[in-house]
Amino acid sequence: NAGVTQTPKFRILKIGQSMTLQCTQDMNHNYMYWYRQDPGMGLKLIYYSVGAGITDKGEVPNGYNVSRSTTEDFPLRLELAAPSQTSVYFCASQASYEQYFGPGTRLTVT
Amino acid sequence: GESVGLHLPTLSVQEGDNSIINCAYSNSASDYFIWYKQESGKGPQFIIDIRSNMDKRQGQRVTVLLNKTVKHLSLQIAATQPGDSAVYFCAARPGYSTLTFGKGTMLLVSP
Repeated sequence: NAGVTQTPKFRILKIGQSMTLQCTQDMNHNYMYWYRQDPGMGLKLIYYSVGAGITDKGEVPNGYNVSRSTTEDFPLRLELAAPSQTSVYFCASQASYEQYFGPGTRLTVT
Repeated sequence: GESVGLHLPTLSVQEGDNSIINCAYSNSASDYFIWYKQESGKGPQFIIDIRSNMDKRQGQRVTVLLNKTVKHLSLQIAATQPGDSAVYFCAARPGYSTLTFGKGTMLLVSP
């Protein structure tokens, strides 16, 4: 099992550009999550999904969108990048209680 | 909702010492707690979890203690090694809600 994979690892965006952060898991988990982590801070939940076709907002959803067309994939879309979205983004999937995290995408918006 | 805080942003220990990392939570309805370790440049990794019907749970070199009366959680690492150097997060979840993470404590282990 590859677990949770994320692409890209790094990205620099200009203000106003769009991009999609990819997340894939091969553990057949229904629950998936997107978090952002700012320097010296804990993880903040952006969006989550309890299964294909079902998504819901977390604590900090503004400026982001998600979709979940398959169990495996949970992409995060940034439509109009802003400097406040500079962060490290982690995707996670969940089995029963434990969440498994991907390696993260480091995004800089300038 | 829930808020989770850690008492110390940084903890420095000598190799071989026991380390104790503390965490406080606010919501008495929280019934699941988990500790993660995050090494530099990597995603968080599961260490140990505990449910509210337990006071203590042990793993390999790690023990989690839960005090529901004062809403306090601690992670004890026995015989700390340089490889234990990382940021440690606790997280809490009330009922069927989502996890709320604390800010993390950086553990620095010197030889």
